Amino acid sequence: NAGVTQTPKFRILKIGQSMTLQCAQDMNHNYMYWYRQDPGMGLKLIYYSVGAGITDKGEVPNGYNVSRSTTEYFPLRLELAAPSQTSVYFCATAREGGELFFGEGSRLTVL
Amino acid sequence: AQKITQTQPGMFVQEKEAVTLDCTYDTSDPSYGLFWYKQPSSGEMIFLIYQGSYDQQNATEGRYSLNFQKARKSANLVISASQLGDSAMYFCAMRESNTGGFKTIFGAGTRLFVKA
Repeated sequence: NAGVTQTPKFRILKIGQSMTLQCAQDMNHNYMYWYRQDPGMGLKLIYYSVGAGITDKGEVPNGYNVSRSTTEYFPLRLELAAPSQTSVYFCATAREGGELFFGEGSRLTVL
Repeated sequence: AQKITQTQPGMFVQEKEAVTLDCTYDTSDPSYGLFWYKQPSSGEMIFLIYQGSYDQQNATEGRYSLNFQKARKSANLVISASQLGDSAMYFCAMRESNTGGFKTIFGAGTRLFVKA
């Protein structure tokens, strides 16, 4: 079982570029989440999804977009990257009433 | 509004002693869950313990216990017999079940240092 797989693990972007962070899970969990963690800080919720076709904004959604066409995949799109989006991004899944299972994180630097 | 507060940026504890990490929360949802996670310097998120809002007893998992005081809206983590490997960041998190659409948010974290 792979659990939660995030790609890429590292990426450097130039200001204004766009990219998609991929998240895939094989646990058949309905709930999926994207968080960002700035250095020395806590996790901030960007977007979350309670099932295929359903997404909702979290605490810090500006500058990001998501889609959830299937249970397994929950990609996070960054449009017009800015230095403020330099962070570590975590994808997580959960079953109802259960704990979050995290991917290993994707470290993004915007220069 | 859903809110999680951890007021201790850093804590020191002597090896083999117990330590309490504070967490307070705010929610209007009667159904919610509280979680604690550990993040070592390697960066992964490790689930430690869970407490549901309707659970009558405090949760325990090995050396971890959750001191759940519902009326005070606090969910403190107690680590007994601290070990050097417990040095890490610790995050409290809350998920609302009814009104929040299972949105899960985290506190700012507490960095624990275990001294030999």
